[in-house]
Amino acid sequence: KNQVEQSPQSLIILEGKNCTLQCNYTVSPFSNLRWYKQDTGRGPVSLTIMTFSENTKSNGRYTATLDADTKQSSLHITASQLSDSASYICVVSRSWDNNRKLIWGLGTSLAVNP
Amino acid sequence: DAGVIQSPRHEVTEMGQEVTLRCKPISGHDYLFWYRQTMMRGLELLIYFNNNVPIDDSGMPEDRFSAKMPNASFSTLKIQPSEPRDSAVYFCASGLGTEQYFGPGTRLTVT
Repeated sequence: KNQVEQSPQSLIILEGKNCTLQCNYTVSPFSNLRWYKQDTGRGPVSLTIMTFSENTKSNGRYTATLDADTKQSSLHITASQLSDSASYICVVSRSWDNNRKLIWGLGTSLAVNP
Repeated sequence: DAGVIQSPRHEVTEMGQEVTLRCKPISGHDYLFWYRQTMMRGLELLIYFNNNVPIDDSGMPEDRFSAKMPNASFSTLKIQPSEPRDSAVYFCASGLGTEQYFGPGTRLTVT
């Protein structure tokens, strides 16, 4: 069973609308959680990184939340743009791996249509 | 800085052939990672180096895979012999602190 589960698997929204992507994890002991954006044909790019003590972090129109008690995170995208079309991947690291061995979800594929 | 550079961007080869993927990390970064991405399994860490020394190769699928980092500015991932199930996108990432910066990837197709 994958230790990082994301939902939905894919999502289609209209330009200008908001959306929220979900991530549940079972990784332990938890160190930090990251959200990456991966455009088609390119490598992933980091959006946010949150440690155990942080429950929200923003990067422009992207806002990530973390509930370490329930082991859930969400990524909220506000006023979506066509350029937001990409795969969004939730990634968790364990404290004993010194933040080097990341455990990747399979991603949510987002399509923003005009 | 040009970012992480990978070559080739696309590689098509026949089963049994040797494949070598190349990576130039970002100057000054002390970690280098090799990943493989497939639709079914997502991104998987194959191996990572710290200051050119391999630290963890537990993700390397089998002896057909090998990786080297002869100096701080160059690394290779070699598959010999290649098999159709090796078809995937291979990413190199370099790291400083907790961040990892990914290259554009090499799409490998083994027929």
